Amino acid sequence: ELKVEQNPLFLSMQEGKNYTIYCNYSTTSDRLYWYRQDPGKSLESLFVLLSNGAVKQEGRLMASLDTKARLSTLHITAAVHDLSATYFCAVVDSNYQLIWGAGTKLIIKP
Amino acid sequence: SAVISQKPSRDICQRGTSLTIQCQVDSQVTMMFWYRQQPGQSLTLIATANQGSEATYESGFVIDKFPISRPNLTFSTLTVSNMSPEDSSIYLCSVALQGGNNEQFFGPGTRLTVL
Repeated sequence: ELKVEQNPLFLSMQEGKNYTIYCNYSTTSDRLYWYRQDPGKSLESLFVLLSNGAVKQEGRLMASLDTKARLSTLHITAAVHDLSATYFCAVVDSNYQLIWGAGTKLIIKP
Repeated sequence: SAVISQKPSRDICQRGTSLTIQCQVDSQVTMMFWYRQQPGQSLTLIATANQGSEATYESGFVIDKFPISRPNLTFSTLTVSNMSPEDSSIYLCSVALQGGNNEQFFGPGTRLTVL
């Protein structure tokens, strides 16, 4: 059974700092997704990572995938308050369903 | 991507009643899903809504409690039956586009409170 683990689950940081959120998964998969959820809102797709070594960047966010290590990272560069949200990773299992991490609640203080 | 709408956006219901949530997509999609998200938690898949056949339910969810309809490729409903306060949650529908990469797009959600 595929399990997805995110850490940290909660992160409070200052504006301007860099930080990384980690997403580990337990069995082979070559598709991983990152989503953002603002309080009281639905989920917004951020990145789709489809192969080993894939790297995607959008603004201050960069996501990468290492399928051999079963690890994805979401790196935040020079954080700004607008990036405060909960970030989820999700991995496709053998039934083509998404298995979700617990989410990382990110608070960025001015 | 796809544009997805859900109705109602929120509701407050009495114990023992039922609520039907609608999900409408602006294009034909093969895969539609229903999720539950309890406050501060991750997403839990309730079922996959199959067009023209019965939905496929995940462990812990049954058709009698969460009947689902999928009459065509752009519309689905989820009913939460005989509600109790434990059913208070956000219910989300999502779709995956045919020929896509399993990326799912989400509706705005329905926030349900059961008193």
